[in-house]
Amino acid sequence: GENVEQHPSTLSVQEGDSAVIKCTYSDSASNYFPWYKQELGKRPQLIIDIRSNVGEKKDQRIAVTLNKTAKHFSLHITETQPEDSAVYFCAASIRPGKLIFGQGTTLQVKP
Amino acid sequence: SAVISQKPSRDICQRGTSLTIQCQVDSQVTMMFWYRQQPGQSLTLIATANQGSEATYESGFVIDKFPISRPNLTFSTLTVSNMSPEDSSIYLCSVEDLQVYDRGPDTQYFGPGTRLTVL
Repeated sequence: GENVEQHPSTLSVQEGDSAVIKCTYSDSASNYFPWYKQELGKRPQLIIDIRSNVGEKKDQRIAVTLNKTAKHFSLHITETQPEDSAVYFCAASIRPGKLIFGQGTTLQVKP
Repeated sequence: SAVISQKPSRDICQRGTSLTIQCQVDSQVTMMFWYRQQPGQSLTLIATANQGSEATYESGFVIDKFPISRPNLTFSTLTVSNMSPEDSSIYLCSVEDLQVYDRGPDTQYFGPGTRLTVL
């Protein structure tokens, strides 16, 4: 069935290091892949997204890569800062309006 | 992007009762959605709120338990009926904001959520 697997579930890095979160999706019809950041007690906020016709997208310290053949996509955060600490969710859109979310990754950036 | 508000922000309810959550958007949007986020968990789509017609429910969610209204393009309500402690969750509405054309379709923005505790 429709499924998005996200790894790792927790990630701890030192400030200034890079962080990578990986997701795998099951439905080959998926064509839109957003990433959300959720701070404690706050709403999920869209931080970056990628569509199936693009292999990579970058926005300052954040980048997302997509491998459609392998059905996986990744979030890369460089030069991490303590304010990057949050829960990150990947998602895949299998039809207009239907987002399937991964299980989430709790990122802790140690100062 | 659209400004999305929800009421109430939180509530504590007794089992067997019902709670209606409101979602208001400051601009007209075509697509509105309702999600559930159980404690420490991911987000699960409950239903798509369709303007002028019945909501479209995802597998595992039924209209009798989660009736939804969408009277116009800026407002929707979700009711959690006959509540039990298992319904304790954060309920979030989201919208697809077609005004943000640099993002394109399918991009969803979330409201602040309603934190529901059922005793």
